[in-house]
Amino acid sequence: DGGITQSPKYLFRKEGQNVTLSCEQNLNHDAMYWYRQDPGQGLRLIYYSQIVNDFQKGDIAEGYSVSREKKESFPLTVTSAQKNPTAFYLCASSRGLYTEAFFGQGTRLTVV
Amino acid sequence: DAKTTQPPSMDCAEGRAANLPCNHSTISGNEYVYWYRQIHSQGPQYIIHGLKNNETNEMASLIITEDRKSSTLILPHATLRDTAVYYCIVRAQSGGSNYKLTFGKGTLLTVNP
Repeated sequence: DGGITQSPKYLFRKEGQNVTLSCEQNLNHDAMYWYRQDPGQGLRLIYYSQIVNDFQKGDIAEGYSVSREKKESFPLTVTSAQKNPTAFYLCASSRGLYTEAFFGQGTRLTVV
Repeated sequence: DAKTTQPPSMDCAEGRAANLPCNHSTISGNEYVYWYRQIHSQGPQYIIHGLKNNETNEMASLIITEDRKSSTLILPHATLRDTAVYYCIVRAQSGGSNYKLTFGKGTLLTVNP
């Protein structure tokens, strides 16, 4: 069954720790994205990747890092430099950079 | 700078058609109309998109007016699982930062038994 898998669904971390969120897709999509969604707010783009081994900063990249070593995987690391990391994180993919995007089910990160 | 206007909320009876309106009076000739929905605490789900012709898929129908200034998403037989926030977006398929998805406040559709 094709789709985008994010894991885990819920994640708790202590302040000051780095944490990596997983995103895997089996849709053979070239482009992948990470968004952040805060309560009552829209989506904000963190990073995106148009193709394997390439990625670009979005609007709120500070305190985050990504890699794109495989076409199907686009992990996001939330570093201790991210001042307000508690949020709902969404991974998405699309055939190309401007085609319709499909989302995973999200990871809710809580930093205490 | 909102490109679309949607009612904040709507109700629909289970089994009836849900018609969700969207105004996009400043839409450009190369911009498509996209619809997504987001069920509480889940990721957004792509529904449908179109340029100027009406479109239909297994989830919904999209009716775009001839002047393209407004559109309606139709869920033909709403179920309780269709309760969600529905987002209407206008977006070109090339150029600039159109790769980004920007959701407005959307319409909270509540399907009642």
